[in-house]
Parts: sequence; C-alpha cells; structure tokens
Amino acid sequence: DIQMTQSPSSLSASVGDRVTITCRASQSISSYLNWYQQKPGKAPKLLIYAASSLQSGVPSRFSGSGSGTDFTLTISSLQPEDFATYYCQQSYSTRITFGQGTRLEIK
Amino acid sequence: QVQLQESGPGLVKPSETLSLTCTVSGGSISSYYWSWIRQPPGKGLEWIGYIYYSGSTNYNPSLKSRVTISVDTSKNQFSLKLSSVTAADTAVYYCVGVATIRGGGYYFDYWGQGTLVTVSS
Repeated sequence: DIQMTQSPSSLSASVGDRVTITCRASQSISSYLNWYQQKPGKAPKLLIYAASSLQSGVPSRFSGSGSGTDFTLTISSLQPEDFATYYCQQSYSTRITFGQGTRLEIK
Repeated sequence: QVQLQESGPGLVKPSETLSLTCTVSGGSISSYYWSWIRQPPGKGLEWIGYIYYSGSTNYNPSLKSRVTISVDTSKNQFSLKLSSVTAADTAVYYCVGVATIRGGGYYFDYWGQGTLVTVSS
C-alpha cells in the first residue's frame, strides 16, 4: 500500500494568512495526487487534481504543487469559508488511499 | 450537473449485509467510473472500491472479501453490498463519480450527500 502522510494534522491560522499543507507519499506517485476540502457534515469537495490543476469553480487562492513523493496545498490568503479539513489522495496505485487529514482552525 | 443520492437502511445488525444504492441523475452512468467511500464518525476517508458501467471492478484489498459493487445501467444506479458487518463498519457512506485523467490517474468528482449506516443490534 502507498501510505499518504499529511502535516500538520491540525493548524490554527487567521483570516488573510498564507497557509501550506504538506502531503508525503511512501513511494513515488508521479503527479497522481488530488486535494479535497471537507466541511463538517458535508461531503468532500475536489480542489486540485493531478497535483496542480485547479478544479473548475475553485478560487484561485488555492494552489497545488509537487511531484514524486512530496506535495503541497497552499491557500494564499485565508478566507472565513476556508476553515475546514483537507485531505490528499493518491491514484497512482490501484489501491486508492487518502491522507489522514489536516484540520484548519481559526486562530 | 451530475447528482448522486444514496439510499438504504440506516441501521444494520452485526453479521448481516449492508446494502446501499446510489441513483445518478443529470448524466449517464456510462460516463464515469463509480465509487463508494466511507468515513467513520470523526475519522478520515476510506476508499471501498469502484465499478465501470461495463461491470469491471476494483476493490480495496482490506475489504475485498466482503464487498460487492454492481451497476444497473437501465436504472442509472450502482450498488454496494458489504457482508458480515461489525461495529467497525459504522460510517457515513458516500457514492462518488470518478473522473479519469488523460494520461492516468483518477479523482473523485461528484459526491452524494452521504448516508450514515450504524451497525448495532
């Protein structure tokens, strides 16, 4: 199995802050990495696919980068609606796996 | 816009079979792969498996012995059966449309609202 490890597990930040979340794969996954946002009681929402492609309708303050084993999700200027849990997910392997999640809280 | 809706019992007894159906509207079931993902209360996401409209499947090896995913193209539905359930199978179950990326890879594009299934006697 390919293990996906996110850091940090939780993060406190303020509106307007620049935030970076990291996802590390246990082996190279090329660019087969996606990012999701989940708010309480709601289904996850796709933000970024293929490591750096912004899903249609997602604000441009979200960006993704990386390849191989190390990836980042960056929010350039936090908005109140961005406080949520974020998950990375790999599809390099036929056994699809997610990171454990990063909870982004208001400071 | 593709919409998905899960349906099925919210309570299942231990050792019995969990059965859920997902109805796809606003698009053809022949357009995507279709997946089930679950999330135990307060925990992260676990991929269960996916199916193509042709019937080909791919399951999470940790659940493979207990999982069956099937598709009914005439009804634009796909279904999940999980046998011999225990309390550890208590979770919100999501049905999801899976988009393929040219050159390889998948992402989970369209999500149902999720349905909580509790395993308890």
